[in-house]
Parts: sequence; C-alpha cells; structure tokens
Amino acid sequence: DAGVTQSPTHLIKTRGQQVTLRCSPKSGHDTVSWYQQALGQGPQFIFQYYEEEERQRGNFPDRFSGHQFPNYSSELNVNALLLGDSALYLCASTKPGTGIVNTEAFFGQGTRLTVV
Amino acid sequence: QKEVEQNSGPLSVPEGAIASLNCTYSDRGSQSFFWYRQYSGKSPELIMSIYSNGDKEDGRFTAQLNKASQYVSLLIRDSQPSDSATYLCAVGELTGYSTLTFGKGTMLLVSP
Repeated sequence: DAGVTQSPTHLIKTRGQQVTLRCSPKSGHDTVSWYQQALGQGPQFIFQYYEEEERQRGNFPDRFSGHQFPNYSSELNVNALLLGDSALYLCASTKPGTGIVNTEAFFGQGTRLTVV
Repeated sequence: QKEVEQNSGPLSVPEGAIASLNCTYSDRGSQSFFWYRQYSGKSPELIMSIYSNGDKEDGRFTAQLNKASQYVSLLIRDSQPSDSATYLCAVGELTGYSTLTFGKGTMLLVSP
C-alpha cells in the first residue's frame, strides 16, 4: 500500500521565480491538504483540495495556488518566490467521507524548498 | 484564531523513564486530537489519535484528553534513544475533511 508521495524532495529556486510541487495521496484517500513548515515551527495549513476544488484555505497569499486532478493527485504552485517561502512543504491525505477515523491525516516525506 | 500551545523543550529523560508531553488548545469546538512524531529533517508521522475524554493506550504510548481543561498529553513509557524527536500536537474538527492546527512541537531527548 503506497503512502503519500511527494516530488521533488529538494528544490532550490531564485527569488521571483515560480515553483510547482506535486503530491500523490495514500491509496483510498481522496482529500489532499498542503502545509508549510518553517524551521523550528509546526506545520501551517495552506489549503485543502477535494473533488478537484479548493475546500478550505489558510492565511496564505494568492501567490500560493493549487490544483487537484481526477486521480486525486495534487499540485502546489507558488509564484513570485520570496526568501521567506523557504520551508518544508508537506502534503497530507485523508480518507473520504466523515467519521472518526477519516480525520487521520498522513503526510508525505515533504519537499524542502530553498529560495536564494 | 485557533491556537495550540506546547513547551518547546528540550525535554530530557534517561532511557527507560517515562516521558510526559503536554499540549493545550484554545478552540473549545475541537473534536479530534493527534500526536505526530517528527525526526529531524523528516516529515511528521502519526503515532496517536484521541477523540474522547480519558486515556488511550497503544503499546508504549498513552494519550490523555481532558476537553474541559482543553488539555492533551502523551506519555511514552520505557523511553528509548530512538524516541528522541520532536513531538507535534495537532487539533482538528470531527469531519472527514478537517484541517489541523499544530503546535510548535516539543523536542524530546532520551539519553542512553
């Protein structure tokens, strides 16, 4: 059973550039959430995708956008990169439907983005 | 603004001891509570979930929840050096599409 997979694992970009990160959810999961984790901080929620639409969004600017495909995989796009965007970007997936166990979120290995 | 508070540590315990990690949260509407373990440079790994007041045990781990006090804790019995990591407390709502609010994490160091 494949877990959550993310690509690439590491990325170095220049300030002002654009970046796309990718995520494939755990088998049987249909909801994908993205989190940003700065050094020494807990993950912060960016947005969540379900049925190819953004369901919820955290306190992040419009430079952060996303997409979900029919196979439930997802992309996170960041435009006009700033030095402060350097962080570990985490994708988490959850099961479909409501119910207690469906709230458990499983994370991919993350993408370490460095903006120089 | 939902907040989750944890002592940043480090919490140092000797091998074989019980490690106690604590977390408080601000939103009384929170219904689901999780503990994640994160090794340095790695992603968070779910180790415990708890939804009802009381204790939940899984192997060497026990999660405790007190909704009236808005308090969650994690006990690790017979701590091992391999338990050395940052432990993240996360809080969510009881829906299938809940988003999580994380604390900053507590670093645990288990010395041989």
